[in-house]
Formats: sequence, structure tokens, C-alpha cells
Amino acid sequence: GAGVSQTPSNKVTEKGKYVELRCDPISGHTALYWYRQSLGQGPEFLIYFQGTGAADDSGLPNDRFFAVRPEGSVSTLKIQRTERGDSAVYLCASSLIGTGGAGTQYFGPGTRLLVL
Amino acid sequence: AQSVTQPDIHITVSEGASLELRCNYSYGATPYLFWYVQSPGQGLQLLLKYFSGDTLVQGIKGFEAEFKRSQSSFNLRKPSVHWSDAAEYFCAVVGNQGGKLIFGQGTELSVKP
Repeated sequence: GAGVSQTPSNKVTEKGKYVELRCDPISGHTALYWYRQSLGQGPEFLIYFQGTGAADDSGLPNDRFFAVRPEGSVSTLKIQRTERGDSAVYLCASSLIGTGGAGTQYFGPGTRLLVL
Repeated sequence: AQSVTQPDIHITVSEGASLELRCNYSYGATPYLFWYVQSPGQGLQLLLKYFSGDTLVQGIKGFEAEFKRSQSSFNLRKPSVHWSDAAEYFCAVVGNQGGKLIFGQGTELSVKP
């Protein structure tokens, strides 16, 4: 079946602009996660959705970052007033079971964001 | 707080040689542990996972890992490395809340012919 997909695969923007990154999870997966991976680092957690609600947004770095999942499937990560330090690969993952951590997370290919 | 340490940033092995990548974790309870592999420009692919039971777990591509509670380790091994194994390897533990993964910094594996 289809895996997790993310669009766009690459995004170049200018400092101060607004960007939206999209994630399509595996069909039927109720849990959805966003991570950010900077060069040479492991992915860092941003936010986790269980269904439509954000169950844990403790990883969002500041209020410029926001994510939604209005129908419990597709999610959009939104970044306002982008800064050069936001440049990274943004990874999305989904799993069948979220709570309790027993579900395996399947990752998408990521969106590479470059802020000039 | 939970954390994962991968002490080796970069390892080079010869093709056909054995491999061991180290992973140490910090976690108060029985952890859920994972190894993922990331090839250049690719997403993360799950190699194997440990939830409970047998401490030696088998994964895809001939990889295995052993959970050692006394050493807080979950090292990844492969008896004979292939050139296609060259990639970045990440160890991860599930955090307390909702299943978010906490990753190590990764180990880059290079394979010499």
C-alpha cells in the first residue's frame, strides 16, 4: 500500500515568508507525528496528533510554528515569519497506535526547507 | 528525561566484515527501542524494534540488535556488511508521552570495497 507522502519535497523561501508543509499519512493511521532534522543531527520531535487533536505539541520551538489535522488524516505544518534557522528537513510519520508508544512509526521522505 | 547516545559519529568497515553500532539510552522504565536507517535523500526506514520478550531481535536486511538492561544498551549488529549498507543509522527510544521518538545523533556508516 501507499506509504507516508509529503509535499513539497523541496521548498525554498525568503526570510520572513510563510510556508506550509503537507503530510499524507498511511490510510487508517490515527497517530501522526512531525519531526525536524537539522544537518548532521537526529530527528527532533515537534508535535503529535491523535486523530484531529494535538496530543503533544511540546516540541514546537516557538509560536511561529503551528500544525493542524482537521479531519484526522492529512496534516499541515505551518511556519510564519520564517528564519534562516528554520532550514531543515521536516519529517512526518504515522502509526496505527499512538498512545503508549507501542505503534511503529512509518516515515515519509521529508520536505527539505531552505530559508534564504 | 529520556535520551539516546550513539557514541560513534562515523564508522568505516570493509565489505564482508562484521559491524556493531552502539546505542545507549536513558529511560526509567522498560523502553521501547528502535533502529532506523536513512540513505541519502531518503526517509527513515525501520530496521528492527524491541518492545518486550526476547532480548535479541531480528530485523530486515540481516540486522539484529540485543537489548541489555544492565548496560542500558541496544547495539545493532550485522555479521557481514554489504556496500549497500552504507547509510546513516539512528537509534531511538519512545518517550513517555504519546509515543514520540527520541533519537540519537546517528552513526554514519561507510563501507570500503
